Amino acid sequence: DGGITQSPKYLFRKEGQNVTLSCEQNLNHDAMYWYRQDPGQGLRLIYYSQIVNDFQKGDIAEGYSVSREKKESFPLTVTSAQKNPTAFYLCASGFEETQYFGPGTRLLVL
Amino acid sequence: GESVGLHLPTLSVQEGDNSIINCAYSNSASDYFIWYKQESGKGPQFIIDIRSNMDKRQGQRVTVLLNKTVKHLSLQIAATQPGDSAVYFCAENFSYNQGGKLIFGQGTELSVKP
Repeated sequence: DGGITQSPKYLFRKEGQNVTLSCEQNLNHDAMYWYRQDPGQGLRLIYYSQIVNDFQKGDIAEGYSVSREKKESFPLTVTSAQKNPTAFYLCASGFEETQYFGPGTRLLVL
Repeated sequence: GESVGLHLPTLSVQEGDNSIINCAYSNSASDYFIWYKQESGKGPQFIIDIRSNMDKRQGQRVTVLLNKTVKHLSLQIAATQPGDSAVYFCAENFSYNQGGKLIFGQGTELSVKP
């Protein structure tokens, strides 16, 4: 079963806690992306990686960190510095300009 | 069409009718466009794409039209079904952007009445 998987589906964060969202793809795509989606708004780019061991900040990188140690995996850490983390987080992988999305992780703050 | 803010534009159609969803894109240099469908609580699903050297592209029950003169993109859905109810949004790509970054619109909510 090919595609992009994200886990967990729901994640609860306590104040001051770092949490990590998982994203895995078996599509052999070089590029991977993390987006944040807030109600009624478009997708905003957090971080992206075009190749293993390399990544760049997107438009709203503050309070987030990523790593890209394997082609298949691009985990996102929401740090305690992110003061408004409640959102729907979407991971995508891409071939040339086209991007395909995972099912998303909804992060809620306790 | 697209708009900024918390309230998405809404299109309500009767089952079996054709739907037309519009998108105004921002950059005249954009050369690649994608339409996505997003159902509630799920990730966006790729529907169809088009390059700027084309005016029209057809898929299964869907057609995308591109008017570069007025920077306008539309998605036509034929014989709309209840399963088509979702938020639809367009994305544009600037050829000179590194990494093929896409710029996304806010979306239009399609509601299909049975």
